[in-house]
This record gives sequence, structure tokens and C-alpha cells, in this order.
Amino acid sequence: DTAVSQTPKYLVTQMGNDKSIKCEQNLGHDTMYWYKQDSKKFLKIMFSYNNKELIINETVPNRFSPKSPDKAHLNLHINSLELGDSAVYFCASSRLNEKLFFGSGTQLSVL
Amino acid sequence: EDQVTQSPEALRLQEGESSSLNCSYTVSGLRGLFWYRQDPGKGPEFLFTLYSAGEEKEKERLKATLTKKESFLHITAPKPEDSATYLCAVQAPGGYQKVTFGTGTKLQVIP
Repeated sequence: DTAVSQTPKYLVTQMGNDKSIKCEQNLGHDTMYWYKQDSKKFLKIMFSYNNKELIINETVPNRFSPKSPDKAHLNLHINSLELGDSAVYFCASSRLNEKLFFGSGTQLSVL
Repeated sequence: EDQVTQSPEALRLQEGESSSLNCSYTVSGLRGLFWYRQDPGKGPEFLFTLYSAGEEKEKERLKATLTKKESFLHITAPKPEDSATYLCAVQAPGGYQKVTFGTGTKLQVIP
């Protein structure tokens, strides 16, 4: 019974396309996040939602738009994909300011 | 801005050869310092949270310690299954605070 699940696991697409990654958590947490991990394994926060409200919005291109339909879901939509967007994207959840529970990641490859 | 530096970048140990991983941090106050383990193709998995200088926590062969400027993850008599990337992260106090990760130490334990 996966605690934080994200789909798809792999995403291969052409430059200029629009794509979405979905995330769901069944831990009852009130806070969800999107992190980006680059090729050097550096994990950087992109967005954070608490009770469906955006609370952290790092310097991320406007092409990235998160959407939280409810406390258990946080999706990430990416417009006009670029080569530099290739990375592994992790969804995570937690109680506010406590330890993070991560999904297994979505490896995005932009060709 | 919060900064986390981990060393070494990579560490190769013989099974049973104890060692330590270092995490140096700069943060305006400290709500918590976190250690995570990341296996290839998976999301980071929580190991420990340390809150104040002098605190220590243990789990099996792992022991985490904290000073005002750095944290150490001591690995005693490691086994091949301890091979993974170990990530350190810090969080500043007050309101909604993002978690800042280091780039990790990739540990390989050879039988």
C-alpha cells in the first residue's frame, strides 16, 4: 500500500510539448511538495502546498504550474517543455515542518 | 540563504570498515537537521531528525550526531546493503520553511 504514489514513472517527450505528473498520498498529511533532482543528485524544492494553499514557490519558470485539487493530491503541469527540464521530479508529503515522505520519482526526458 | 555541504561526494568501504559522513550547514537558526537514504531509482527515505547541538540518534549500524555547524553520520561495521546515497537537509525555524538538501554522499560497501 504505497504511501506517496506518483505517475508516470518515466516520461519521454519532445521539446515544446505539454505534460503532467500526478501525485497522491494516503498518509493524511496536510502538506505536499514537488522537488526536482538534477543529474548531480541535487534535490531542490519547487513548490509546497499546505491544505491546498500554496506556501512555497521557489524561482521556477512560469511554464511549471502546480495544482492541488484536495489535500491528498498535488499535480504538476509543465508547458512548452525544454531540454533543461530533463530531470527526476519527486512528489513528497509531510505534516507541516516535519519529516518528508517521498514518492518514487518521475524521470522526465525531453528530446 | 541556507547552505548544506556534504563530504565526501563518494565513499567506498570494505564490509566491516567503519567510517563517517560529514554534513556542514549554514542556516539562520535551526529547526531541524534531517538525514535521508536514497537508493537508485527510488525517492529519499527518512532516517533521522536532530534538533539541537549535542543530540545523537541511532538506528542499527547508523548513528547521527549534531554540532552547531555540522552533523556526522557514523556507519559502524557497514554491510553491502548499506550502499546508497545519504542526503543531509536543514530547515530554518519560523512559519513555513523550506527544507534545503545537500548533494549527498554516495556510499558503496564492498563485500
